[in-house]
Amino acid sequence: AQSVTQPDIHITVSEGASLELRCNYSYGATPYLFWYVQSPGQGLQLLLKYFSGDTLVQGIKGFEAEFKRSQSSFNLRKPSVHWSDAAEYFCAVGATPNDMRFGAGTRLTVKP
Amino acid sequence: NAGVTQTPKFQVLKTGQSMTLQCAQDMNHNSMYWYRQDPGMGLRLIYYSASEGTTDKGEVPNGYNVSRLNKREFSLRLESAAPSQTSVYFCASSEGWWGTGGSSRYTEAFFGQGTRLTVV
Repeated sequence: AQSVTQPDIHITVSEGASLELRCNYSYGATPYLFWYVQSPGQGLQLLLKYFSGDTLVQGIKGFEAEFKRSQSSFNLRKPSVHWSDAAEYFCAVGATPNDMRFGAGTRLTVKP
Repeated sequence: NAGVTQTPKFQVLKTGQSMTLQCAQDMNHNSMYWYRQDPGMGLRLIYYSASEGTTDKGEVPNGYNVSRLNKREFSLRLESAAPSQTSVYFCASSEGWWGTGGSSRYTEAFFGQGTRLTVV
């Protein structure tokens, strides 16, 4: 069965520091891969997605993610974190919308 | 630009009561979804509607029913609420259905702000 693991429940970084959020998945084939962000009291917003092609994908707000097939990973990165990046981040995988699986989320705190 | 609007935003129910969560989108999207979000878990799909006139079960449909009233509206009904249904419910919509085989016909899903439901 497909599953998504986000090993870090909560991460704290200083403003201006780099960020990497981890995502590992288990799926029968190469799925579509997504990262979403959820600000407090808000719905989810798509940051970026991977369907095929270049394994390094760029998203909104300066985020990028790299798909590594051999490691079944899709880690999210940002070179320099801003205070406004504090939120919860969800990795999701799936081949169709009805079989998408979301990770449990990583809560990001940004220290001034 | 309202996007996806959910009502109500908060609700407290007693066990056994029924209620309907409303969702409307103004983006002329074909597909709509209902998810629930529980602490320590990601979103789980309850039901979806790939297009007007169709609905299908998702990962956790038990205890829920849905109605795709028209292209804009997709409601979620709890017939007899249980404490296990305490959750945050999100409605989402997207322009189309996904392609397969590496097609990039995915269209972004837009989410509402959620309904926080407590069943006591």
